[in-house]
Amino acid sequence: EVQLVESGGGLVQPGGSLRLSCSASGFIFSSYDMHWVRQAAGKALEWVATIGVPGDTYYAGSVKGRFTMSRDNAGDFLYLQMNNLGAGDTATYYCARDLTGHRALDVWGKGTTVTVSS
Amino acid sequence: DIQMTQSPSSVSASVGDRITITCRASQGISTWLAWYQQKPGKAPKLLIYAASNLQNGVPSRFSGSGAGKDFTLTISSLQPEDFATYFCQQTFNFPLSFGQGTRLEI
Repeated sequence: EVQLVESGGGLVQPGGSLRLSCSASGFIFSSYDMHWVRQAAGKALEWVATIGVPGDTYYAGSVKGRFTMSRDNAGDFLYLQMNNLGAGDTATYYCARDLTGHRALDVWGKGTTVTVSS
Repeated sequence: DIQMTQSPSSVSASVGDRITITCRASQGISTWLAWYQQKPGKAPKLLIYAASNLQNGVPSRFSGSGAGKDFTLTISSLQPEDFATYFCQQTFNFPLSFGQGTRLEI
């Protein structure tokens, strides 16, 4: 079964850091571009970052310079290192697989919740 | 950056109704558009990609159309499980962007 499972969310103080992980299974992880998408409670989906098969990365302007996306193809893991967090980063964070050739997101994890508060 | 605008923001309908949701891009995106369904507390689910291609396993009552700036998602005969929030997403270039969502209510 194709599956993505996020972990690493929690409560963090403003200005703090957190690293999210996403474990992939049931498909050849190294062959797919991957994404992080977040959603604040009751709000729209917001694309955060994408990492390509060769490791190229793309970021939303709101997180560029603060977040770093990486991947471990040997262990089938995706990561999102988040630094200098602010209240606006409070959201459920989803990892998602790219539908090759279309940039649509065809497989999603259940999400992990990040709360930035003092 | 490309802005995506959905309308309406919410719509009320009944089982068996036909409904259409519209998504407009701030610039032309050819057919680089996807539609998602999201139920409360759940992750989004891909319905349509490349504007009109039905994702595997999605019922045929869902259809998408459009190109350029204007796109539609149509549900031909609403079923109880279709009441959810729907999002469009441009997949044309980075930064990827989503519409604000359309809530479909009974």
